[in-house]
Amino acid sequence: AQSVTQPDIHITVSEGASLELRCNYSYGATPYLFWYVQSPGQGLQLLLKYFSGDTLVQGIKGFEAEFKRSQSSFNLRKPSVHWSDAAEYFCAVGADNQGGKLIFGQGTELSVKP
Amino acid sequence: DTGVSQDPRHKITKRGQNVTFRCDPISEHNRLYWYRQTLGQGPEFLTYFQNEAQLEKSRLLSDRFSAERPKGSFSTLEIQRTEQGDSAMYLCASSLGDRGPRQFFGPGTRLTVL
Repeated sequence: AQSVTQPDIHITVSEGASLELRCNYSYGATPYLFWYVQSPGQGLQLLLKYFSGDTLVQGIKGFEAEFKRSQSSFNLRKPSVHWSDAAEYFCAVGADNQGGKLIFGQGTELSVKP
Repeated sequence: DTGVSQDPRHKITKRGQNVTFRCDPISEHNRLYWYRQTLGQGPEFLTYFQNEAQLEKSRLLSDRFSAERPKGSFSTLEIQRTEQGDSAMYLCASSLGDRGPRQFFGPGTRLTVL
């Protein structure tokens, strides 16, 4: 079955520290991979996406993610976290042969300590 | 603002009442998706349209739920005889089907069933 796992429900980091949010997927076809961010009461904003090519993907707000096929992972990283990064982060997979629908992980809530 | 709008943003209703939500996608997007997000979870796929055709419905979409996209533009999601378990955020997203499954999300409609 297709699934996305985000092992960390809640992470707290200090402002200025580095961040890595984990994502593992199970998908039969070659997936498209996404990271979205959601602030309280808001919709989802796309941070970055991987379709093909270079496995290190750059996104907005200084985020990057690395696709590792052998580990079925697509971890999100940021070298220096800002207080405004506090939000919920969702990893998702999709494929054109599935009508483009996305399957989401349960999310990781990020808190930032001053 | 992604260009996808949803109305209303909040809806409080009593159990047993019917509710209808509207989604206006980005104008040139031919695909439109509905997702449901409950507290502490990632969005779950409900259904999607390509133009006016509803191509897939999730098992989550019971017979109390109906969605339409009559002219291939805006879409409505109706819930009949609401139950407390229907309380959730209902998210709409749109995409260009030939550009891969990158979706733009609206701000969502938060439904509370008393």
